[in-house]
Amino acid sequence: EDQVTQSPEALRLQEGESSSLNCSYTVSGLRGLFWYRQDPGKGPEFLFTLYSAGEEKEKERLKATLTKKESFLHITAPKPEDSATYLCAVRSGNTDKLIFGTGTRLQVFP
Amino acid sequence: DAGVTQSPTHLIKTRGQQVTLRCSPKSGHDTVSWYQQALGQGPQFIFQYYEEEERQRGNFPDRFSGHQFPNYSSELNVNALLLGDSALYLCASSLAGQGYNEQFFGPGTRLTVL
Repeated sequence: EDQVTQSPEALRLQEGESSSLNCSYTVSGLRGLFWYRQDPGKGPEFLFTLYSAGEEKEKERLKATLTKKESFLHITAPKPEDSATYLCAVRSGNTDKLIFGTGTRLQVFP
Repeated sequence: DAGVTQSPTHLIKTRGQQVTLRCSPKSGHDTVSWYQQALGQGPQFIFQYYEEEERQRGNFPDRFSGHQFPNYSSELNVNALLLGDSALYLCASSLAGQGYNEQFFGPGTRLTVL
């Protein structure tokens, strides 16, 4: 069964303190791994799609990487406005549905 | 370029009632997926509509049904509401036929069942 596990559940960082969020997955035939940012009470905001192992994508202070078993979302010198829940999702086989993890709740303090 | 829109923003119902939620996809998109997100959890896939038909369904009972209109907008209907149906309901749109196409989410409808 396809599954996504994110860790840690919650992360508190000081402003400027870099860190990484982990997304481990088991899936039959990966057709994309997706990262979303979600603010409280809002819909998820699309960040990145990764398709194959070794691929990397960057956007401002965020960098996403992908291996055959996991993905990392690296946050460099975070700011308080980066505080949010970060969701990882995968799509497998010939289905279009996204399977989400439970997310990592990030808090960045000034 | 209008993104995904959903209405209403919030809704309060009582057990046993029925509810209809609405979604307009991002401009140029033709596929709509619905997700349920309980507090502290990731979104769970309910179903997907393409060409006005349900193309795929997740593990949700028949109380959950939907519809897609010729203009690609969609409705989610939930009958015989239960307390456990309280959640944020998310609509996501995408463009079919692009293989690894991304899904873009709307702001959601917060449903509270009392």
